Amino acid sequence: EKVMTQSPVTLSVSPGEGATLSCRASESVYINLAWYQQKPGQAPRLLIYGASIRANGIPTRFSGSGSETEFTLSISSLQSEDFAVYYCQQYNKWPWTFGQGTTVEIK
Amino acid sequence: EVRLVQSGAEVKKPGESLKISCKASGYIFAHYWINWVRQVPGKGLEWVGIVYPGDSDIRYSPSFEGRVTISADKSTNTAYLQWTSLKTSDTAMYYCARDDRLDFWGQGTLVTVSS
Repeated sequence: EKVMTQSPVTLSVSPGEGATLSCRASESVYINLAWYQQKPGQAPRLLIYGASIRANGIPTRFSGSGSETEFTLSISSLQSEDFAVYYCQQYNKWPWTFGQGTTVEIK
Repeated sequence: EVRLVQSGAEVKKPGESLKISCKASGYIFAHYWINWVRQVPGKGLEWVGIVYPGDSDIRYSPSFEGRVTISADKSTNTAYLQWTSLKTSDTAMYYCARDDRLDFWGQGTLVTVSS
């Protein structure tokens, strides 16, 4: 199965600053890569699919990039509601696999 | 409006059986895959498996194959995840989510297995 590795594990950011999260695949997943946001006590929410396509209703401050094995989620000017855990997931080949998550916390 | 509504929390003993559900509305159920995802308290997301209600094609993660059974009923727009013999290690939140990109999620079903 394809192993997804996210970095860093935790990212401390001040409100208004930007953040860059990374996701690496053990082998190519082409652009079949999604990003999710999860807040405590809530189900995850789809942010990005196809590596760079924002899901419906997702603010433009969220952007995704990358292909093959290296992917990035960028959040410009973090708002209070953006502090959460972020997961990447590949849907190129079964079994789908998730990264272990990156926690974006308030600095 | 797409909605996935899951059955309520369950408390079971080791060795008991369980079937939880995910009822879909707002779209053509038969046309989209439904995933099941596990989240142990305080941990990350794990993909359990997937079903295509249109023809009941089912795939499992090797980590879960043989431990759970996934199914879907087109007549009721409902997907299911079931166990025949629960273990304490099955204690987790279980989510259903639509499509390969998991674009819509259920609210989760908390399964607690304890003696």
